[in-house]
Amino acid sequence: QKEVEQNSGPLSVPEGAIASLNCTYSDRGSQSFFWYRQYSGKSPELIMSIYSNGDKEDGRFTAQLNKASQYVSLLIRDSQPSDSATYLCAVNFHSGGYQKVTFGTGTKLQVIP
Amino acid sequence: DAGITQSPRHKVTETGTPVTLRCHQTENHRYMYWYRQDPGHGLRLIHYSYGVKDTDKGEVSDGYSVSRSKTEDFLLTLESATSSQTSVYFCGSQGASSPLHFGNGTRLTVT
Repeated sequence: QKEVEQNSGPLSVPEGAIASLNCTYSDRGSQSFFWYRQYSGKSPELIMSIYSNGDKEDGRFTAQLNKASQYVSLLIRDSQPSDSATYLCAVNFHSGGYQKVTFGTGTKLQVIP
Repeated sequence: DAGITQSPRHKVTETGTPVTLRCHQTENHRYMYWYRQDPGHGLRLIHYSYGVKDTDKGEVSDGYSVSRSKTEDFLLTLESATSSQTSVYFCGSQGASSPLHFGNGTRLTVT
């Protein structure tokens, strides 16, 4: 069973602070990692993809990957109330020429004005 | 954005009736997924497809069947709807080693 673990939260941060969201996964062979944001009543939307160890930055978002520790994180700098949402970590597992995405249960982020 | 369309967007049906939800993608993606999402739960995988006529069960497949006769279409059928199947259903499609993209969801109410 391929697993992706996230703290369900809620994670509360003040406006302007850095929000740090974490995710661990079970399969060492995983090669693709994604972060999605989901607003209440809406479908999840992709915000970051990361494929190699290290950091990847896109605007206020930074994804960090450590394959040795099987750990993925998402940092949101200068958090805004509009960032309040549930953040889903997803891992692309590869097996026998096939792939399959598995999602964590999500971390709810609350940015306090 | 990936072209993924779910239909219908909303449906109300009675217990015991069959229901089919449709997912259509225009990206020629090999992989397609059906999830349900309920309050207090994350996305739960119902069924998954890795090619035309190739499907596999997810963690909550009981009471659901799927079909994929064309690359672009993935149908989810509730053979005899129950109130426990009231939920929001999301379809997704994915290319090789690329992210999964979602449709806008179908809100299903079983009365």
